[in-house]
Amino acid sequence: ELKVEQNPLFLSMQEGKNYTIYCNYSTTSDRLYWYRQDPGKSLESLFVLLSNGAVKQEGRLMASLDTKARLSTLHITAAVHDLSATYFCALAGTGTASKLTFGTGTRLQVTL
Amino acid sequence: NAGVTQTPKFQVLKTGQSMTLQCAQDMNHNSMYWYRQDPGMGLRLIYYSASEGTTDKGEVPNGYNVSRLNKREFSLRLESAAPSQTSVYFCASTPNLSSYEQYFGPGTRLTVT
Repeated sequence: ELKVEQNPLFLSMQEGKNYTIYCNYSTTSDRLYWYRQDPGKSLESLFVLLSNGAVKQEGRLMASLDTKARLSTLHITAAVHDLSATYFCALAGTGTASKLTFGTGTRLQVTL
Repeated sequence: NAGVTQTPKFQVLKTGQSMTLQCAQDMNHNSMYWYRQDPGMGLRLIYYSASEGTTDKGEVPNGYNVSRLNKREFSLRLESAAPSQTSVYFCASTPNLSSYEQYFGPGTRLTVT
């Protein structure tokens, strides 16, 4: 059974600071997703990581994947208030394609 | 394109009542999914449909039934609602099961009293 753990569950940080969200998973996966969710809204796709060593960046967010360690990170650089949201990682297990297993989410609060 | 649409947006039911949540996509996708999201948790897969005419159970199927009415529409039915089914329900679609990108609907917030 594929299990996905994120930490921290809650993160309060000041604008301008850097921080990393961690996503650990239990079994082999062939793709890892990062999503953003604003309160009361649907999920917005941020990144899809497909292979070991994959790194993707969009603005102040950078995601990486280490399949050997079964670990993905979402790094936030110089946080701004607009990044306040809940961030989820999700994985599709090998052979199960687009059926996703989600982590519990990290609620990020960026204070002014 | 409207993408993935869901109706209703909000619903309150009493224990034992039944209802159907509707989902439609206009992207000509083959695969569709129903997830539920409980407070403070990630999404969990209820049922999915790899293609028109097929449906399969996900992680938490108990208490639900689904119908893939045609390629566009995938409905989720609660036959006898229970308070434990209070949740936000999201529908999603992908071009097919091997596609990378999932497109999510806006969600239906369901409360069962």
